[in-house]
Amino acid sequence: AQSVAQPEDQVNVAEGNPLTVKCTYSVSGNPYLFWYVQYPNRGLQFLLKYITGDNLVKGSYGFEAEFNKSQTSFHLKKPSALVSDSALYFCAVRDTGFQKLVFGTGTRLLVSP
Amino acid sequence: DTEVTQTPKHLVMGMTNKKSLKCEQHMGHRAMYWYKQKAKKPPELMFVYSYEKLSINESVPSRFSPECPNSSLLNLHLHALQPEDSALYLCASSPPSGANTEAFFGQGTRLTVV
Repeated sequence: AQSVAQPEDQVNVAEGNPLTVKCTYSVSGNPYLFWYVQYPNRGLQFLLKYITGDNLVKGSYGFEAEFNKSQTSFHLKKPSALVSDSALYFCAVRDTGFQKLVFGTGTRLLVSP
Repeated sequence: DTEVTQTPKHLVMGMTNKKSLKCEQHMGHRAMYWYKQKAKKPPELMFVYSYEKLSINESVPSRFSPECPNSSLLNLHLHALQPEDSALYLCASSPPSGANTEAFFGQGTRLTVV
């Protein structure tokens, strides 16, 4: 079965510094990978996806993600963090059959002023 | 319109009550989903409807009963719930199943069972 892992429960970064939220994947076949963000007591908002093509994917709110096949990783990045980026971030993968998204355990991002 | 709308936003119900959660989208999506999310945990899939037919039931207890009356609406009927069913219930939709399609999520219904 397809799966993703987020090794960090929490990432702390100072405002203005670059941020990275890590995700590794385990799939059979081609990986279809997604990042979502969740603010407190809210639903999930789609940030970006990798399907095929360029290894650097650009998404919403200045976020981007780097797909690395050799390291089976799909890390989320932003060059300059904002306090408002503080939220819960989920990496996800399409399961075989494509009918469902399988989520990682989530990483809480805390950006300090 | 890229919204998935869920009602109500909050619901408190007793263990003997019957209630329903509602979800609506007007994006022409033909796949709709119910997820359950406990605090500080990832969403867990409950049901998938594809073209108004139930295609996945993730072994959900029968006290949860989904319904898809038409391509825009998805309901989740609740009956005889337990306190451990308290959670955020998320509805999502996506274009017909395909690898390159992201799911759009509603804001969720925060359910408390007392």
